[in-house]
Amino acid sequence: EIVLTQSPGTLSLSPGERATLSCRASQSVSSGYLAWYQQKPGQSPRLLIYAASSRATGIPDRFSGSGSGTDFTLTISRLEPGDFAVYYCSQYASSHTFGQGTQLEIK
Amino acid sequence: QVQLVQSGAEVKKPGASLKVSCTASGYPFTNYYMHWVRQAPGQRLEWMGVINPIGTHTSFAQKFQGRVTMTRDTSTSTLYMELSSLRSEDTAVYYCARGGESSYGDFDYWGQGTLVTVSS
Repeated sequence: EIVLTQSPGTLSLSPGERATLSCRASQSVSSGYLAWYQQKPGQSPRLLIYAASSRATGIPDRFSGSGSGTDFTLTISRLEPGDFAVYYCSQYASSHTFGQGTQLEIK
Repeated sequence: QVQLVQSGAEVKKPGASLKVSCTASGYPFTNYYMHWVRQAPGQRLEWMGVINPIGTHTSFAQKFQGRVTMTRDTSTSTLYMELSSLRSEDTAVYYCARGGESSYGDFDYWGQGTLVTVSS
């Protein structure tokens, strides 16, 4: 099973700042089959990025994904109030697994 | 627009079985793989399994092998997940999610979630 480890656990930033979230896999994620999801309290997860760097439908270009192999990054260029949430990475190259999440909170 | 509407919250006793439904609309139901994902309180998301577009093949996470069944009714565009021998650790929100057309894929649309509480 591919284990995904996200860092940091909690990220405290202010609106307008840049957020960088990391996801490291225990083994290579083939074909870049890595996705990022946003989840707000009481809501279902929302797909942001798939195939490591492709934005899902309707996702603003403030969100970008990068990386390959075992190291992946989600960047939010200019934080807006609605961006403060929990973010999960997920791999779908070998079955499906999720990271433990990064809580993005307002500083 | 794509919608996945799940059945309502359930309270179950340990040892009982659970059946959750997920009704799809806004897209051709038989074109996409469908998944079930759950989230225990304060925990990460956990993939449970997948069913192929026409309902002839399933694949489950090893943790749930022998305890979970997934089916789909193409006449009503409804997906079902049954989990047996429930225990307290099965208390979670259960989500259906749409996968890919030609492969398992990522999860581009999610149901609203069904809260399941297992308690004596």
